[in-house]
Amino acid sequence: GQQVMQIPQYQHVQEGEDFTTYCNSSTTLSNIQWYKQRPGGHPVFLIQLVKSGEVKKQKRLTFQFGEAKKNSSLHITATQTTDVGTYFCAGRESGGSNYKLTFGKGTLLTVNP
Amino acid sequence: DGGITQSPKYLFRKEGQNVTLSCEQNLNHDAMYWYRQDPGQGLRLIYYSQIVNDFQKGDIAEGYSVSREKKESFPLTVTSAQKNPTAFYLCASSIWRLTGANVLTFGAGSRLTVL
Repeated sequence: GQQVMQIPQYQHVQEGEDFTTYCNSSTTLSNIQWYKQRPGGHPVFLIQLVKSGEVKKQKRLTFQFGEAKKNSSLHITATQTTDVGTYFCAGRESGGSNYKLTFGKGTLLTVNP
Repeated sequence: DGGITQSPKYLFRKEGQNVTLSCEQNLNHDAMYWYRQDPGQGLRLIYYSQIVNDFQKGDIAEGYSVSREKKESFPLTVTSAQKNPTAFYLCASSIWRLTGANVLTFGAGSRLTVL
């Protein structure tokens, strides 16, 4: 079945440093979503990418979808303590059900103030 | 405010007992989902329901059961057949989107511990 790999598993940075997490799928995706889960909280939707090579920005966050639609990345510029949490990617397999997303295991980001 | 309410937040169960987790949404979403989250793991789909009186197995449905008698409610029963039930359970809902996959809105979760 479809697998979504996410690296790194953990990342610790000093406040102000940049951070990137990468997501790779074993199959071509029709779209990819990113969620953030704060410690002790629940996942919250950040963004969805649909087009090959798509790049979207949300303030200090930049999301990319690969040309082959099999990988994606999330980059945070100048991290802040409010960025702490686990970032998950979730992909829908090309031709798959709208209702079935496969989640990566997430990247836990900690920020030292 | 619209949202998803899960209860209880924490639950302790003895081995061999069934337990039912509640999930209620007032977002008027058609689809509802149950995910299981284990430490250091991603979210794994247990069951989902696209419409009232219909539901589909996800990737890890064994040992679980659900019902969808009302649009707003999607309770999950963790049965004694589930061999490793201790986990964080997340309920979610979504509307159907024309492009891309459905965007999930999650509840706050229920943490089940089997003693």
